Amino acid sequence: KAGVTQTPRYLIKTRGQQVTLSCSPISGHRSVSWYQQTPGQGLQFLFEYFSETQRNKGNFPGRFSGRQFSNSRSEMNVSTLELGDSALYLCASSGGQVLNTEAFFGQGTRLTVV
Amino acid sequence: GENVEQHPSTLSVQEGDSAVIKCTYSDSASNYFPWYKQELGKGPQLIIDIRSNVGEKKDQRIAVTLNKTAKHFSLHITETQPEDSAVYFCAASLPTGNQFYFGTGTSLTVIP
Repeated sequence: KAGVTQTPRYLIKTRGQQVTLSCSPISGHRSVSWYQQTPGQGLQFLFEYFSETQRNKGNFPGRFSGRQFSNSRSEMNVSTLELGDSALYLCASSGGQVLNTEAFFGQGTRLTVV
Repeated sequence: GENVEQHPSTLSVQEGDSAVIKCTYSDSASNYFPWYKQELGKGPQLIIDIRSNVGEKKDQRIAVTLNKTAKHFSLHITETQPEDSAVYFCAASLPTGNQFYFGTGTSLTVIP
């Protein structure tokens, strides 16, 4: 069974630009969550999508948005990039009907804003 | 919201010794507690988890204990090996979805 796939693995963007990251969950999983990981703040929850609907949202500004498609693949978008958005963005895939259950992470997308 | 604290931030042990990492959480409604291992350049890997209706769970050299009354849970690794060296994260989750609150991580070094 294939794991969680995130693309691209690395990105370099200029301040003010926007970026879109992609996540393909484990086959059959309907929940996709996104996290930002930085040395200073650790792992912080961005949002969770389940069956194309945002089910939970963390405390990030509106510049961070996401969506989920009917095949459960998810994208997150960051507009008007700031230097502080440089981070490892991780996607986690969960399956089943239980509200909180095992989550499997992808390798992440390393975003550098210059 | 939920707040998870994790200690210690760094831990060095000799190969073969045991390692213990401790976490506390603040919201008594949290009912799912996973542990993740993250190696350099990789995403977190789920190594063991426990639900609030269970006090202890073991998987080979790894065990997790949960004290709901005190709101703390711990990871125990026995007979440590150099390949156990990594950063370990604890997390807590409420029964509202797959939103995890993570601890700040423990960098474990196993000295051969």
